[in-house]
Amino acid sequence: GQQVMQIPQYQHVQEGEDFTTYCNSSTTLSNIQWYKQRPGGHPVFLIQLVKSGEVKKQKRLTFQFGEAKKNSSLHITATQTTDVGTYFCAGPNNAGNMLTFGGGTRLMVKP
Amino acid sequence: NAGVTQTPKFQVLKTGQSMTLQCAQDMNHEYMSWYRQDPGMGLRLIHYSVGAGITDQGEVPNGYNVSRSTTEDFPLRLLSAAPSQTSVYFCASSYTWGSGNTIYFGEGSWLTVV
Repeated sequence: GQQVMQIPQYQHVQEGEDFTTYCNSSTTLSNIQWYKQRPGGHPVFLIQLVKSGEVKKQKRLTFQFGEAKKNSSLHITATQTTDVGTYFCAGPNNAGNMLTFGGGTRLMVKP
Repeated sequence: NAGVTQTPKFQVLKTGQSMTLQCAQDMNHEYMSWYRQDPGMGLRLIHYSVGAGITDQGEVPNGYNVSRSTTEDFPLRLLSAAPSQTSVYFCASSYTWGSGNTIYFGEGSWLTVV
């Protein structure tokens, strides 16, 4: 079945440093979604990418969808303590009735 | 607007007991689903529903039942709880199914089976 993998699993950074998480799918995706989960909280939708090579920005967050639509990345510039949490990517199966999540990257930021 | 509401938030069960996790959404969403989250394993789909009266299995359906008698409600039943079902459970919904639909999650139910 479809697999979605994320690396790294954990990342410790000093406040102000940059952070990147990478997502790879075993199949070509029609779109990819990114979610953030704060410690003890629930996943919250961040963004969806649809087009090959698409790049979207949300303030200090930059999301990219690969040309082959099988990989994606999330880059945070100058991390802040408010960025702490686990970031998940997720991609739909071909029928679009199931969303497969990556294992997540847990970001910890030292003030 | 309550969104997706799950109850209970915390539950401790003994092995072999049964229970139902409740989920309700007030957004008139067609698609509802249940995920479980275990450390290092992300979110795994248990069951989903594309509309009232229609349910289907996800990645890890064994030991769980669901029903969708109304658009609003999607309860998850554990028939005979096992320690391997200790997890955090999230109910989620979206306007419809198919590519590109944002999923809204409930706040989670922490279940411990002893």
